[in-house]
Amino acid sequence: GEDVEQSLFLSVREGDSSVINCTYTDSSSTYLYWYKQEPGAGLQLLTYIFSNMDMKQDQRLTVLLNKKDKHLSLRIADTQTGDSAIYFCAEWSSASKIIFGSGTRLSIRP
Amino acid sequence: GAVVSQHPSWVICKSGTSVKIECRSLDFQATTMFWYRQFPKQSLMLMATSNEGSKATYEQGVEKDKFLINHASLTLSTLTVTSAHPEDSSFYICSASVGDSLGGYTFGSGTRLTVV
Repeated sequence: GEDVEQSLFLSVREGDSSVINCTYTDSSSTYLYWYKQEPGAGLQLLTYIFSNMDMKQDQRLTVLLNKKDKHLSLRIADTQTGDSAIYFCAEWSSASKIIFGSGTRLSIRP
Repeated sequence: GAVVSQHPSWVICKSGTSVKIECRSLDFQATTMFWYRQFPKQSLMLMATSNEGSKATYEQGVEKDKFLINHASLTLSTLTVTSAHPEDSSFYICSASVGDSLGGYTFGSGTRLTVV
């Protein structure tokens, strides 16, 4: 079945780059997303990428897609304390629904 | 930008009572809305797809008689948790598609339900 996997935790130093990785199984996925969730809040769409793209950059965010390996990553440059949150990778599956990963909790250390 | 308003933000109810959660698209029409549930420290689980003017499509394992979904208008979908029990305590989030772009999904702020 469809599955999206990501590591549960990531800790980075303030000012460094954060790289959050994700793998998915549905090779028919057309869209892949990154969402941010702050404590007690709903999801905020950070960015998305079409499956026919390799890279998308939006200010401090860079998304890389390796379709062959079904691997997606989100790089946050110059990580700040306000970036502390849970980041969810998600795919628009061939079953016409969004499948979410378990989320990666990003913590920032001084 | 497109905004989905979800109410209430949090609710505490007694076991056996019913709770209604509303999800409104404020400045766009949403023919399809989605309802998710999130357990603590876990990912979102899709519960059902709500279609305006027709019955909702429930995911496997979700009790349709317990989680009643109504999508009577293009701007409002409701989720009613009937005869709530403590195990129904969770964070419920709705989302809606904005326009035709699959990239344009916007989420409500979520509702934290606590059943005591």
